[in-house]
Amino acid sequence: QVTLKESGPVLVKPTETLTLTCSVSEFSLTNAGMGVSWIRQSPGEALEWLAHIFSTDQKSYNTSLRSRLTLSKDTSKSQVVLSMTDMDPVDTGTYFCARVIIEYNREGGFFYYSIDVWGKGTTVTVSS
Amino acid sequence: YELRQPPSVSVSPGQTARITCSGDTLAKQYVCWYQQKPGQAPVMVMSKDSQRPSGVPERFSGSSSGTEVTLTITGVQAEDEAAYFCQSTDNTGTRYVVFGGGTKLTV
Repeated sequence: QVTLKESGPVLVKPTETLTLTCSVSEFSLTNAGMGVSWIRQSPGEALEWLAHIFSTDQKSYNTSLRSRLTLSKDTSKSQVVLSMTDMDPVDTGTYFCARVIIEYNREGGFFYYSIDVWGKGTTVTVSS
Repeated sequence: YELRQPPSVSVSPGQTARITCSGDTLAKQYVCWYQQKPGQAPVMVMSKDSQRPSGVPERFSGSSSGTEVTLTITGVQAEDEAAYFCQSTDNTGTRYVVFGGGTKLTV
């Protein structure tokens, strides 16, 4: 059974850097077409995609947060690490990591993502 | 790139709930749907517009027409009360994941 688990600090101060780790099991970070996404959710709000990284080490970042985000992966440890700099109280929320799959629709000629397994999430509060 | 969902849908038990997701490029892109109950992580309930993952009840179905995709729950049960989010892919330039604003289904 594929699982993902987020870990990291519960509380960070404004201007600090948040570092979150996603530990995955029952699938490999080297599997073609598979990767790990980070998604966050402020209390009572919508889901917001942050970034993802694939087996090829290809990374994509949310345009509005790109300057603050860095993704890396350690294949041997089955871990993906997300760093977010200059944290602000508006960044308070639940951060999820999830498995993302990329596929290609030949008939339509387009790539598409689906997120099939989610971690339980970790709550982060930004406060002094 | 934006995916638009109604903020809320309300139905009585046993009725049919329809939740829509609209976006300019959905005529040429797939949508996934996720169900999220309070305090829990989202769970995929539909992929590629109309494919139901293993374990999802048959009362959940999906359809697509032009730039609008619909998640239909036939014979809604109390346990279906949750927030539902659609998700698609922005293929302009670097590919991104995009979520809709979510729809709160009240049963």
